[in-house]
Amino acid sequence: EVQLLESGGGLVQPGGSLRLSCAASGFTFSSYAMSWVRQAPGKGLEWVSAISGSGGSTYYADSVKGRFTISRDNSKNTLYLQMNSLRAEDTAVYYCAKENIVVVPAAMVTYYYGMDVWGQGTTVTVSS
Amino acid sequence: EIVLTQSPGTLSLSPGERATLSCRASQSVSSSYLAWYQQKPGQAPRLLIYGASSRATGIPDRFSGSGSGTDFTLTISRLEPEDFAVYYCQQYGSSPRWTFGQGTKVEIK
Repeated sequence: EVQLLESGGGLVQPGGSLRLSCAASGFTFSSYAMSWVRQAPGKGLEWVSAISGSGGSTYYADSVKGRFTISRDNSKNTLYLQMNSLRAEDTAVYYCAKENIVVVPAAMVTYYYGMDVWGQGTTVTVSS
Repeated sequence: EIVLTQSPGTLSLSPGERATLSCRASQSVSSSYLAWYQQKPGQAPRLLIYGASSRATGIPDRFSGSGSGTDFTLTISRLEPEDFAVYYCQQYGSSPRWTFGQGTKVEIK
């Protein structure tokens, strides 16, 4: 069964740090890009960060650039999000999601099949 | 920066009715890179549609997507009780690389 399981959320003071983890199973983890998506209480979905299957390319939303770092350990089938300089507005449920993106370099074509697997989420609360 | 605007914010309908949800992009989006998700309270989002019109695995055929350029539509042909939820459109590819709309809530009338 394809599964993603987040952990590492909790209560942290403004300015503090937290590292989220997302353990993947049931698919070839290194073959897929992964994203973090968050949802503030009562609000919509906000894409936060993404990383390629190899880990060689990373992407960030402007709201977290310079504060958050995405990484992955393909030997452990685990995705991470290091969150530093946390603010109250970072309070949210954080989801990891498997990106179904197929790149055909020879044809210079990219096929996007959506975020097809999601974890159950982990809650981050930034408050004093 | 591409902004996705969904309308209406809330859709009040009865089971069996047809739901039409709109997603408008501030710039042209490749239809290949437009997806729709469903989210129920307390649950993670679920992929419904990718490539603007292709249903994800296991998604019933009452869900359909259409559109191109800047205007995209998700249609639920006959609402079932389990379809009352929040729906998000999402684009991939243009700066920022990933963007979600603000969501449309489909509620029971």
